[in-house]
Amino acid sequence: AQTVTQSQPEMSVQEAETVTLSCTYDTSESDYYLFWYKQPPSRQMILVIRQEAYKQQNATENRFSVNFQKAAKSFSLKISDSQLGDAAMYFCAYRKYTGNQFYFGTGTSLTVIP
Amino acid sequence: DAGVTQSPTHLIKTRGQQVTLRCSPKSGHDTVSWYQQALGQGPQFIFQYYEEEERQRGNFPDRFSGHQFPNYSSELNVNALLLGDSALYLCASSYGVTHQPQHFGDGTRLSIL
Repeated sequence: AQTVTQSQPEMSVQEAETVTLSCTYDTSESDYYLFWYKQPPSRQMILVIRQEAYKQQNATENRFSVNFQKAAKSFSLKISDSQLGDAAMYFCAYRKYTGNQFYFGTGTSLTVIP
Repeated sequence: DAGVTQSPTHLIKTRGQQVTLRCSPKSGHDTVSWYQQALGQGPQFIFQYYEEEERQRGNFPDRFSGHQFPNYSSELNVNALLLGDSALYLCASSYGVTHQPQHFGDGTRLSIL
C-alpha cells in the first residue's frame, strides 16, 4: 500500500525567508504523480504544485519548487520569499498514474512570522 | 465558473443517526471523489463515482455509501453514526478518472454528539 510521511508536524519561517517542507513516500510503482496541497483555515485544499514521476526535472510554480528524488522516494517543497498568506497546513499527496485516489500525508502546519 | 460546492457547511448529529452530504462538481467535471479528514490528519479516500457508479473504494465500512446523479452531483450517506465519524468531509471533482487534476470543495464539518 502507498504511504506518505510528513515528519514535520509544524514549521515556522520569517517573512521573506525560505523554508523547506519534507515528504517521503513508499510505492512499488514506477509511474505516479506527487502533489503538494495547501489548506488554509478556510478548509479548501488548494493545489500548490504537481510532479510527474517520469519527469526528472523538478517542478516549479513561481515561489514554490520541489526537490524530487525518485530513488530516495523523497519529495520536498521549497517556499521562497515566504509571505504571510503562505501560512496554512501543507499536505503532500501521492496518486497512482492510473486512477484518481490520493494518498495524503498527515500535514505540516506552516507559520509565517512577520 | 463555479467551483466544487458542498452542502451543508456544518452539521451536528447524534450517535446512531444517519446523514447525507451533498456535492456539486466543478463545471465540466464528471467524476466525484469523497474524502474524510479527521482532526489533525490528512484526508482519507472514501470512494469515487463516475458515470453514476462507484469505481473505487477506500477502506471504509458499508455504513458509508454514495450516489451520483445524471447531472454529476453526488451524495455521501453515512448510517449508524459513530463518534469517530466526526470529521471534515471533502468532495473533489475532476474530468475523467485518470490523469486529471482534482479540485476540492470547502468541505462539510460533521460533528457527532
